[in-house]
Amino acid sequence: AQSVTQPDIHITVSEGASLELRCNYSYGATPYLFWYVQSPGQGLQLLLKYFSGDTLVQGIKGFEAEFKRSQSSFNLRKPSVHWSDAAEYFCAVAFMEYGNKLVFGAGTILRVKS
Amino acid sequence: EAGVTQSPTHLIKTRGQQVTLRCSPISGHTSVYWYQQALGLGLQFLLWYDEGEERNRGNFPPRFSGRQFPNYSSELNVNALELEDSALYLCASSSSGLAGPIYNEQFFGPGTRLTVL
Repeated sequence: AQSVTQPDIHITVSEGASLELRCNYSYGATPYLFWYVQSPGQGLQLLLKYFSGDTLVQGIKGFEAEFKRSQSSFNLRKPSVHWSDAAEYFCAVAFMEYGNKLVFGAGTILRVKS
Repeated sequence: EAGVTQSPTHLIKTRGQQVTLRCSPISGHTSVYWYQQALGLGLQFLLWYDEGEERNRGNFPPRFSGRQFPNYSSELNVNALELEDSALYLCASSSSGLAGPIYNEQFFGPGTRLTVL
């Protein structure tokens, strides 16, 4: 079955520093890729998604992600982190061949230090 | 515009009991999705309802069931509770269509925290 791996359970960055959260998926079929953010006590919010086309995708809140087929990766980046970015981030993948549903990674908790 | 609402916010049950969780989608949305978020496991897809019909189901035992009402609100029922059912249960809604969660953005509620003792 398809799976999503987020290798980092926790990441701590300083405010103003750059950020990269890693996401890898299994299976070689054409994936649909998503990044969500979950702030404490809130539901998940979609940051960005990739279906096809330009492999560099821009999202909300200054985030971007790059799809690299050769590495089966879809890493999330932000050039300068703000304290309000502290949250849990989830990568998700879907393959139509495996049904119309999203498979989520285990999440990465981002801490921002001032 | 109100977002997705869920009730109750917290729930404590004991093993073997039954529980019902409720979800009201965003006005105009006809699809409702249920997810289980257990500690350290990310979100696991449970169920998808659209227009009152079950469209897809995740790898969960039959004691997890649900339904969608004519007003598009939804219930998730869990029978014979087990300790490992302790989790945050998230409901999401999206606009209509069998295109489902891939093509229709899901909007999530804050969740119901279930603790099974």
